[in-house]
Amino acid sequence: GAVVSQHPSWVICKSGTSVKIECRSLDFQATTMFWYRQFPKQSLMLMATSNEGSKATYEQGVEKDKFLINHASLTLSTLTVTSAHPEDSSFYICSARRLFGTGLYNEQFFGPGTRLTVL
Amino acid sequence: AQSVTQLGSHVSVSEGALVLLRCNYSSSVPPYLFWYVQYPNQGLQLLLKYTSAATLVKGINGFEAEFKKSETSFHLTKPSAHMSDAAEYFCAVSAPDQGGKLIFGQGTELSVKP
Repeated sequence: GAVVSQHPSWVICKSGTSVKIECRSLDFQATTMFWYRQFPKQSLMLMATSNEGSKATYEQGVEKDKFLINHASLTLSTLTVTSAHPEDSSFYICSARRLFGTGLYNEQFFGPGTRLTVL
Repeated sequence: AQSVTQLGSHVSVSEGALVLLRCNYSSSVPPYLFWYVQYPNQGLQLLLKYTSAATLVKGINGFEAEFKKSETSFHLTKPSAHMSDAAEYFCAVSAPDQGGKLIFGQGTELSVKP
């Protein structure tokens, strides 16, 4: 149990286009999902916290108009990179926090990541 | 505020040798602590977690970690390294009152020599 999927697993796009990445919790409900960005050989940087039915909370320095997050249901959050540029190329990882569960309340389950390359 | 420091960005051990990856944390409240492993181009997999129960935590793949409050440490160990353990390892801290937000360390790349 507690599987999180991401789609697509990799995407190549032209500069100036928008890209949508989906994050789904397959076998549990997640009121909270998180989006991270990871550059090569670096740690994960939290971009935003996505709460079902409300606006996302962005970390300092993350442009909310560039990285649009929607959490429309308890199993789906999307990240849209708008007007992508080469510097947005990165590995984007989502995670989902389980709604209930003894001992699992504070555990995040991670998706496999999406490799974005902007040409 | 919470923070995590992993000592050593790269650790190399021989197959069969002890693995020790160091993690120190800073937290103003009793923390939850986690170790994750990441293989190339993949997401993170939870190895083990400390959530204020037993201080010695056993995880998957033979890994364990000990929470030492006096040393603010949560080092990861494995008695005998396997080639398949070669990966990136991340220590993370979360404050129970911050909605599950995780703060990650810089990561330690583990290499295992035959």
